[in-house]
Amino acid sequence: QSALTQPASVSGSPGQSITISCTGTNNDVGSYNLVSWYQQHPGKAPKLIIYEVIKRPSGVSNRFSGSTSGNTASLTISGLQTEDEADYYCCSYAGSSTHIFGTGTKVTVL
Amino acid sequence: QVHLVQSGAEVKKPGASVKVSCKASGYTFSSYSISWVRQAPGQGLEWLGWISVQNGVTYYAQKLQGRGTMTTDTSTSTAYMELRGLSSDDTAVYYCARNLNDFSASPLDFWGQGTLVAVSS
Repeated sequence: QSALTQPASVSGSPGQSITISCTGTNNDVGSYNLVSWYQQHPGKAPKLIIYEVIKRPSGVSNRFSGSTSGNTASLTISGLQTEDEADYYCCSYAGSSTHIFGTGTKVTVL
Repeated sequence: QVHLVQSGAEVKKPGASVKVSCKASGYTFSSYSISWVRQAPGQGLEWLGWISVQNGVTYYAQKLQGRGTMTTDTSTSTAYMELRGLSSDDTAVYYCARNLNDFSASPLDFWGQGTLVAVSS
């Protein structure tokens, strides 16, 4: 099972919006509305920011939003802020009680 | 508040075993399941497996089959992951994480601080 494909890096200026893609197959992203997104700052544990494609946990900024289309999920960060600079990972349920993570995307705020 | 506190860093020789612990607090341990994820140095996240605290059912990533065992101790609210037959490929930070509910498909809403396992001869 290969990792979901994400762009290695995405950058944007403060206040801009950026979108990170996460491409899987019809065995994972394309079959289940069970995609989650995690934010990881250097040296820290990941933090859940989106689950079940579009839901945000309590306390997560509404600047983060998720969507899917076919086998690709997307995370959009609007009103980019310096604290958004981090690594982002998608994760999809892949059936048979297994999960698969994306390759990760480094977000840089210019 | 929810806390998951993991055991300290380990250095192991190839072929050895390691057992990482994850002590939970701030919630009813048996009401949520636990997953394990690892991250090799400079690499991405890798899902390793899931355990239901309620009934001990486990699911493992294919590459862990036969080498890994996940358990829980409800008397101490602690989860454990043991990995046997270590190789340099197992060098990573290992994370425990609480699932949002007791379903294996649920996301990971709280994470431990991570435990570095280094395998070196």
